[in-house]
Amino acid sequence: DTGVSQNPRHKITKRGQNVTFRCDPISEHNRLYWYRQTLGQGPEFLTYFQNEAQLEKSRLLSDRFSAERPKGSFSTLEIQRTEQGDSAMYLCASSKGQPNQPQHFGDGTRLSIL
Amino acid sequence: EDQVTQSPEALRLQEGESSSLNCSYTVSGLRGLFWYRQDPGKGPEFLFTLYSAGEEKEKERLKATLTKKESFLHITAPKPEDSATYLCAFQGAQKLVFGQGTRLTINP
Repeated sequence: DTGVSQNPRHKITKRGQNVTFRCDPISEHNRLYWYRQTLGQGPEFLTYFQNEAQLEKSRLLSDRFSAERPKGSFSTLEIQRTEQGDSAMYLCASSKGQPNQPQHFGDGTRLSIL
Repeated sequence: EDQVTQSPEALRLQEGESSSLNCSYTVSGLRGLFWYRQDPGKGPEFLFTLYSAGEEKEKERLKATLTKKESFLHITAPKPEDSATYLCAFQGAQKLVFGQGTRLTINP
C-alpha cells in the first residue's frame, strides 16, 4: 500500500492561467474523490469517480473545472482561467468499492493564485 | 440540510491532561461517521469509522464513541505528538461531509 500520491505539491500561477493536478490512487481502489480545503475549514467535496465514470459533481465545481479519470487509474483535475478564489488545497482520496469504506487521502496540491 | 459541527474550534492541553472533542450532526440517514487526523500541510489521515449508536473504537490514546446525535473523540493522557487538527465527517450518498475541525495543541 503506497498511499495516494498527488502532484505537484505546490502550484503558484497568475490569475487567468490554466492549471492541472494529478492524483494516483491506491492501486486496488476503484473509487476516487476530489475535495477542496481552505484555511481553517474541513475539506469540501468536488467530484467522484467510480472506475472511469464520473458519477457526481458538486455545485462548487463551476464550468471552469473539469476532472477526468481515463482507464480508471490516475485522475486529473484542471482549472481553466484561474481566479483568486481558487486558491486552496486540492485533495484527492480513494477507497475500495464496497459501501462505507474509509477514504484515504493524499497530501494535496496547494494552489496559490497571484 | 445535513451538517456537521465540531467543538471546540481549538483546544490547548497540558501533556497528560485528558479531554474530549465533540462532533454533532444532523443527517437524514447516517451511513458512517469518520474521524480523521490532519497535520499541517498534509492530507487527512483516517482514524476510525463508526456505524451505529453505542459503537466504540480505540487506537492508542484515542477512543471514539457514537450516539444518535453526536460523536466524541476522547484523548487520554495526550502527548505533544497528538497535536493536530481532528476532523469528523459523515458519509453521504457517496461523499464525505466534514466539520470544520478541532485544532488540538498539547503542551509538554
